[in-house]
Amino acid sequence: AQSVAQPEDQVNVAEGNPLTVKCTYSVSGNPYLFWYVQYPNRGLQFLLKYITGDNLVKGSYGFEAEFNKSQTSFHLKKPSALVSDSALYFCAVRDRARNAGNMLTFGGGTRLMVKP
Amino acid sequence: GAGVSQTPSNKVTEKGKYVELRCDPISGHTALYWYRQSLGQGPEFLIYFQGTGAADDSGLPNDRFFAVRPEGSVSTLKIQRTERGDSAVYLCASSLTPYRGGELREQYFGPGTRLTVT
Repeated sequence: AQSVAQPEDQVNVAEGNPLTVKCTYSVSGNPYLFWYVQYPNRGLQFLLKYITGDNLVKGSYGFEAEFNKSQTSFHLKKPSALVSDSALYFCAVRDRARNAGNMLTFGGGTRLMVKP
Repeated sequence: GAGVSQTPSNKVTEKGKYVELRCDPISGHTALYWYRQSLGQGPEFLIYFQGTGAADDSGLPNDRFFAVRPEGSVSTLKIQRTERGDSAVYLCASSLTPYRGGELREQYFGPGTRLTVT
């Protein structure tokens, strides 16, 4: 079985400050990891993914995430937050094993609030 | 190019009625997924199509839920004898053939259909 935990329901940060949104995962094998963002009344938008290789993954809108196998984490980061980054963020995992099914398992989401 | 589209955007129905939710994937995407997102939660997988066939329907909660993709493009999620607990946002996603060189392709999501069962 695969699962994702996003321990923070909400993260508050001031504009211009760095932000971190936490994610930990559990899979029986090795993971594919994803971050998606959801704006009000809009669908989930893909931000970035970890497949293999470098543990630091860069994605859209200046976001990046660091894969840490020993801590089973994939925290989302941005050096300087913008008010427009305020949205709901979802971490997702899929076991790399071919027999694991093709679905993504999502965390419960973290609301990011960036204040001017 | 055009993204994933879903119709209707909102659907209100009475308990016990039948509903159909439609998904138009991105052109050329062979894989199609349905997820359900309840208020305050992340999306939960329902079913995955590769082409016309349901490759994995392990997420369908019970036999009231059924989905088809007869021509390998548009998909319809069908819910019989709706219950109030079915109220949620139903999300559709599509992707290119999921694996390429061992890499898993990302899924692109539609805006969802908000289903309310009264």
